[in-house]
Amino acid sequence: QKEVEQDPGPLSVPEGAIVSLNCTYSNSAFQYFMWYRQYSRKGPELLMYTYSSGNKEDGRFTAQVDKSSKYISLFIRDSQPSDSATYLCAMSRGGSNYKLTFGKGTLLTVNP
Amino acid sequence: DTAVSQTPKYLVTQMGNDKSIKCEQNLGHDTMYWYKQDSKKFLKIMFSYNNKELIINETVPNRFSPKSPDKAHLNLHINSLELGDSAVYFCASSQGGKDGYTFGSGTRLTVV
Repeated sequence: QKEVEQDPGPLSVPEGAIVSLNCTYSNSAFQYFMWYRQYSRKGPELLMYTYSSGNKEDGRFTAQVDKSSKYISLFIRDSQPSDSATYLCAMSRGGSNYKLTFGKGTLLTVNP
Repeated sequence: DTAVSQTPKYLVTQMGNDKSIKCEQNLGHDTMYWYKQDSKKFLKIMFSYNNKELIINETVPNRFSPKSPDKAHLNLHINSLELGDSAVYFCASSQGGKDGYTFGSGTRLTVV
């Protein structure tokens, strides 16, 4: 079993839809959870960051972490065509020698 | 002013050649990384340096050799290039890891 599992999609939704992206993981030592957005031919950019379990909201984006189920989610409300990108979950154990383990990414297309 | 810059952006070379990719960050971060992203978008860590010291060395062929002349620079040298080395190589940096990584825009390496 891979440490981080993410459905690669692709996922296609109409503009204005609510999008749900998720990852599962097997390593209970993970404490820091992130979502990155990667546009075509660009580097990943940090979108959301969460420590341990709980929810975090930033504008149209909400990140949820459920450590008991080893499950994390990213919700996008009122999705826009500009949200079309690959979304990568990432997580780490923390500490100063910091290594991020990524999911395979989900390709999202928001159709106008 | 680009935070993490990589050169070159594109590299096309023949099998058996030796090539280098350069990375520089102006964020004052202590830790720098090389990640490889394959054709299926999977990001996998290769190396990490903390203040010029190698701290992560994943299972990477020893044809790959990182070098960090100072904490703002991390270069990647690849000897005897093979077809399977074709990928996008990303440099990234972080400060303590808690705030996530800042990625460069990637170097697209094609071995023919």
